[in-house]
Amino acid sequence: AQTVTQSQPEMSVQEAETVTLSCTYDTSESDYYLFWYKQPPSRQMILVIRQEAYKQQNATENRFSVNFQKAAKSFSLKISDSQLGDAAMYFCAYRSGYNDMRFGAGTRLTVKP
Amino acid sequence: EAGVVQSPRYKIIEKKQPVAFWCNPISGHNTLYWYRQNLGQGPELLIRYENEEAVDDSQLPKDRFSAERLKGVDSTLKIQPAELGDSAVYLCASSSGQTTDTQYFGPGTRLTVL
Repeated sequence: AQTVTQSQPEMSVQEAETVTLSCTYDTSESDYYLFWYKQPPSRQMILVIRQEAYKQQNATENRFSVNFQKAAKSFSLKISDSQLGDAAMYFCAYRSGYNDMRFGAGTRLTVKP
Repeated sequence: EAGVVQSPRYKIIEKKQPVAFWCNPISGHNTLYWYRQNLGQGPELLIRYENEEAVDDSQLPKDRFSAERLKGVDSTLKIQPAELGDSAVYLCASSSGQTTDTQYFGPGTRLTVL
């Protein structure tokens, strides 16, 4: 079964600094999709970034970028120039084909002014 | 474009009482998901609909949980009777149905069972 592991329950970063959130996953599939979702205290899960496994190039969305290491089954999220509004729970998720989306346990990010 | 709508946002009930949650997906989205999110954990899928058909309900506790999506649009998730362990946030999400598509989530319903 596919599992997603986020080894950092909590992280903090100074405003304007850079922080990296870790995620590893276990799968025997070769074609799949990886996601980072943000869940602020309001609870609405918002897609931050997605990565298709067949693409070698790391996805980037403005201040958010990923480091996708397929062989190592690692998918970390880098947030540059952190802002107070980035404070939230961040969930890494995996999906292959029509199977369930599997989520990690989340990392709580605190941004210090 | 309106996002996924859920109601109520909060619900407090006593154990053994019934409760229902409602979800309206993004217009045109054929696939609808119900997730349960326990405190401090990521969401876990309860059931997935393709139009009005439940295509994956393997994680739905069928002795007390039921769901329906009669016209292939909005959906209702019901618990009867509720137990203390059912306290959680219930999230609804929708997608266009393609395997490559992103799931869009609603704000969730926080259920507290006393």
